[in-house]
Amino acid sequence: DQQVKQNSPSLSVQEGRISILNCDYTNSMFDYFLWYKKYPAEGPTFLISISSIKDKNEDGRFTVFLNKSAKHLSLHIVPSQPGDSAVYFCAATVYGGSQGNLIFGKGTKLSVKP
Amino acid sequence: DSGVTQTPKHLITATGQRVTLRCSPRSGDLSVYWYQQSLDQGLQFLIQYYNGEERAKGNILERFSAQQFPDLHSELNLSSLELGDSALYFCASSVAWASLSGTDTQYFGPGTRLTVL
Repeated sequence: DQQVKQNSPSLSVQEGRISILNCDYTNSMFDYFLWYKKYPAEGPTFLISISSIKDKNEDGRFTVFLNKSAKHLSLHIVPSQPGDSAVYFCAATVYGGSQGNLIFGKGTKLSVKP
Repeated sequence: DSGVTQTPKHLITATGQRVTLRCSPRSGDLSVYWYQQSLDQGLQFLIQYYNGEERAKGNILERFSAQQFPDLHSELNLSSLELGDSALYFCASSVAWASLSGTDTQYFGPGTRLTVL
């Protein structure tokens, strides 16, 4: 059973517009969430994270929103740039838990068109 | 460049064979994680080592094993290979084995692409 779900396999957005990538989770024990970006032939790169004590975290053009009651988080990219075209993975873990491994979604491929 | 290195980049082998994938973590990182990414799956956690000791196990097959050496590099051994083992294998490293003091971001290597024919 998938504990972290990214239901949109792909998303296409025009340059300069907002990209919104969504992620849902089922395990209520998760309290720390991360987004990773992956280009072809490279490993995932950490983008931004959020703890469950917050509902928003912002870093430049990237903002992550967390809705704990809905077990839903989203990544907003504003404005979107062609260089943002990549696969975005949502991941979750238990902060300070006995294990540090991340549970990943299957990813959303973002295409930003010039 | 994440600072995590993985060798080899590509590996092509036959069914029934055994291979070893190698990972060197970022300088100062004590924890190493192995993940598998198959064609239709996201990144699946396999196993974690912290300072030479196994810390957590995920969906790792019995045919697979790993270890972390005193110099903190890690090796993932895959034996009796099957076609379904063809995948990207990523290694990640982080400072601690759990988020004991602040964020414990995992930094990923570029991966090893394994093809089993």
